[in-house]
Amino acid sequence: DTEVTQTPKHLVMGMTNKKSLKCEQHMGHRAMYWYKQKAKKPPELMFVYSYEKLSINESVPSRFSPECPNSSLLNLHLHALQPEDSALYLCASSRQRSRQETQYFGPGTRLLVL
Amino acid sequence: AQSVTQLGSHVSVSEGALVLLRCNYSSSVPPYLFWYVQYPNQGLQLLLKYTSAATLVKGINGFEAEFKKSETSFHLTKPSAHMSDAAEYFCAVNNQGGKLIFGQGTELSVKP
Repeated sequence: DTEVTQTPKHLVMGMTNKKSLKCEQHMGHRAMYWYKQKAKKPPELMFVYSYEKLSINESVPSRFSPECPNSSLLNLHLHALQPEDSALYLCASSRQRSRQETQYFGPGTRLLVL
Repeated sequence: AQSVTQLGSHVSVSEGALVLLRCNYSSSVPPYLFWYVQYPNQGLQLLLKYTSAATLVKGINGFEAEFKKSETSFHLTKPSAHMSDAAEYFCAVNNQGGKLIFGQGTELSVKP
């Protein structure tokens, strides 16, 4: 089983709202990732967690706040977003944070900020 | 620094024709290369990956790719296109920190 699940599938929020995206995997993977993908563009890495610790933050604005409560779960907390933050947010996981490991992606959450 | 370049943002083929999607890489260390496919409104699905075990890599759905070090290429091919192959295809290289670096993507259209 190589499934990564994400909820919700779609999210519409205003610029003053607070919401969270959730990602789960039960493959025993110890690395988890958040990517942002705009239309017709490749995914862009936002955050990487390795063994529940934040390893990489790609200079993401503080209105995005990641959290990894346990090895199976990854959250992305959203607050005071801008319309340009509207995008597909993809979660991925891999066995380890290393070059040869395959990253398995979830179906994504499509976010619209009004 | 590592990077990948996909030649052709859009490729159109007829059903039953050969599919060839081009990817060239730049890497100062032996690369780990991946091809992913993204169907409309979905996440990315791994097609295949190169990890130096064999230069010809077979993936899912009849796709394969050949690693050519002399040409720094990792082109994706399929002998006979099917309508269901219409999607966006991304080539990617994995850097030292486990960060996937994607090409700009190639949209494949399949004509009946």
